[in-house]
Amino acid sequence: EVQLVESGGGLVKPGGSLRLSCAASGFTFSFHTMNWVRQAPGKGLEWVSSISSSSNYIFYADSVKGRFSISRDDATNSLFLQMNSLRAEDTAVYFCARAPYSSGWSAFDYWGQGTLVTVSS
Amino acid sequence: EVVLTQSPGTLSLSPGERATLSCRASQGVSSSHLAWYQQRPGQAPRLLIYGASKRATGIPDKFSGSGSGPDFTLTIGRLEPEDVAVYYCQYYGDSPLPFGGGTKVEIK
Repeated sequence: EVQLVESGGGLVKPGGSLRLSCAASGFTFSFHTMNWVRQAPGKGLEWVSSISSSSNYIFYADSVKGRFSISRDDATNSLFLQMNSLRAEDTAVYFCARAPYSSGWSAFDYWGQGTLVTVSS
Repeated sequence: EVVLTQSPGTLSLSPGERATLSCRASQGVSSSHLAWYQQRPGQAPRLLIYGASKRATGIPDKFSGSGSGPDFTLTIGRLEPEDVAVYYCQYYGDSPLPFGGGTKVEIK
């Protein structure tokens, strides 16, 4: 069974940093592009970042470019999102999501339950 | 950059009725890269449809997708209480990967 479990969320002050993790199981993690999607309270979904297998291709939404960094560790089946210079508008539930292929664009076929990041003083 | 506009914002129907949800792209997009997701209250999104009309694994045939750029449709046949959710379309043809604003489906 495919499972994605996010962790690392919490309360952080504006300008602070946070590192999110996503533990994957039930599939061959290294074969898949992985993604982060966020959802501000009461709002819609916003794609944040994607990383292909072998980390060959990495993409970011303009809203986080230069502040967030996506990475993966295939040895531990883990996906990460390093978030720096956090702003109030980064407050959201952050979901980890799998794409079915190693590269190229595809829909997100499995999602974690999300971890809440709150940026507030 | 593609912008997806979903309508209506909220759809309120009786049990057993059919729901028709719309997603319009701001520019020509390939139907090969259009997906629909369901997000029930308090839950993570779930993939329903990819490639505009292909059902994801385990999705019942009451859900169907159709259309080609720029207009796409998600149809939910015979509404049941478990279909109460927000439905999002997404274009995944190129970065960024936009989502529509969502359509909330309610049961009267």
